[in-house]
Amino acid sequence: DAGVIQSPRHEVTEMGQEVTLRCKPISGHNSLFWYRQTMMRGLELLIYFNNNVPIDDSGMPEDRFSAKMPNASFSTLKIQPSEPRDSAVYFCATQTTLGTPLHFGNGTRLTVT
Amino acid sequence: DAKTTQPPSMDCAEGRAANLPCNHSTISGNEYVYWYRQIHSQGPQYIIHGLKNNETNEMASLIITEDRKSSTLILPHATLRDTAVYYCIVRSYNTDKLIFGTGTRLQVFP
Repeated sequence: DAGVIQSPRHEVTEMGQEVTLRCKPISGHNSLFWYRQTMMRGLELLIYFNNNVPIDDSGMPEDRFSAKMPNASFSTLKIQPSEPRDSAVYFCATQTTLGTPLHFGNGTRLTVT
Repeated sequence: DAKTTQPPSMDCAEGRAANLPCNHSTISGNEYVYWYRQIHSQGPQYIIHGLKNNETNEMASLIITEDRKSSTLILPHATLRDTAVYYCIVRSYNTDKLIFGTGTRLQVFP
């Protein structure tokens, strides 16, 4: 089992550019979560999906952020346009069913200049 | 979900037991106590969880008080690789959300 796979590991982009972060969940996991981590705000839950359907996106900071899960094996988090304050580490996590432990990927470190 | 309170930092000598406390005085009957840790630059790692009974696995033990208002994570023989931020989280059994607080930074020294 390769675990939760995120790509890229590092992303450096200029303000105003579109950024797409990718996540491949563990096979058989039905729920997927996107988190963001900064020194100031810690780990924040952005959005989560259950069976590919977005359940709660109340943590998404603004309309510039969007997330999709077109199938059970892939999810994206898109920021358009990106801003320097979006610089953070973005984690994807998955779980098998309701209430089971989350398994995290190693994150994507995003730097927006 | 109930809020948790943890000390911001703790030290532990290598080979000794590390006892990390957590207060969750507003916990309700359907809420579990979860522990995760985050080693620098990695994603959080699940350690253990419990409802009201004490739990043990290959990584740690979880001791929950009888009134469930506090708990202690025990790493029986801490190693340098256990240096990390440890998060105590209360999570309802019928929700998917896992909300992280600020955690305890554990430093294991030689």
